[in-house]
Amino acid sequence: QSALTQPASVSGSPGQSITISCTGTASDVGTYNLVSWYQQHPGKAPKLINYEGSKRPSGVSHRFSGSKSGNTASLTISGLQAEDEADYYCCSYAGNSGTLVLFGGGTKLTVL
Amino acid sequence: QVQLQESGPGLVKPSQTLSLACTVSGDSFSSSGYFWTWIRQHPGKGLEWIGYIYYSGSTYYNPSLKSRVSISVDTSKNQFSLKLSSVTAADTAIYYCARGVYSYFGVDIWGHGTTVTVSS
Repeated sequence: QSALTQPASVSGSPGQSITISCTGTASDVGTYNLVSWYQQHPGKAPKLINYEGSKRPSGVSHRFSGSKSGNTASLTISGLQAEDEADYYCCSYAGNSGTLVLFGGGTKLTVL
Repeated sequence: QVQLQESGPGLVKPSQTLSLACTVSGDSFSSSGYFWTWIRQHPGKGLEWIGYIYYSGSTYYNPSLKSRVSISVDTSKNQFSLKLSSVTAADTAIYYCARGVYSYFGVDIWGHGTTVTVSS
């Protein structure tokens, strides 16, 4: 099983909205609504910001929202702020016949 | 508040076994809704899931590492451990221990990470 596919980089200006895609297959993203998203600032551990496709942990801004269509999950960040500049990773359950858990390659978000 | 802290050597020689421990505070391994996992990140690269151990003791490993990996729990110390044998330079990475949530197979609590370099 291959890693999930994310764009290497995205950018946006403060106040704008951006969307990061995460493409898998019918064996992972397409079958299970078990996609989670993580934000990682340089030198820090990742932080869970979205799970089960569209849920947010307590304390995470409502500006972060997730969705899924077919084999592709998406993370939308609205009202971009400077502190949103970070790397973002998606992750999906892939069933117990293979790797079980797959990560995306990560997307670098630059706030212009 | 649940916290995780990795510990272990920062330098391992090629062909030797990498051994790391993760001390958990604020939670118990008997919590059925969680699993305890190791994830690594190669320098400047993305995340790679290594494997997990469930409260029952059952384990699941990344097939690409399965022949070299072992994860175990020491409940008396509230620790879980990672052993990775026959290491090479390709195993140089930041190693994170973390708590996973079984209902959605995501990771809600991460350790700070520890850098392990494989070099002679």
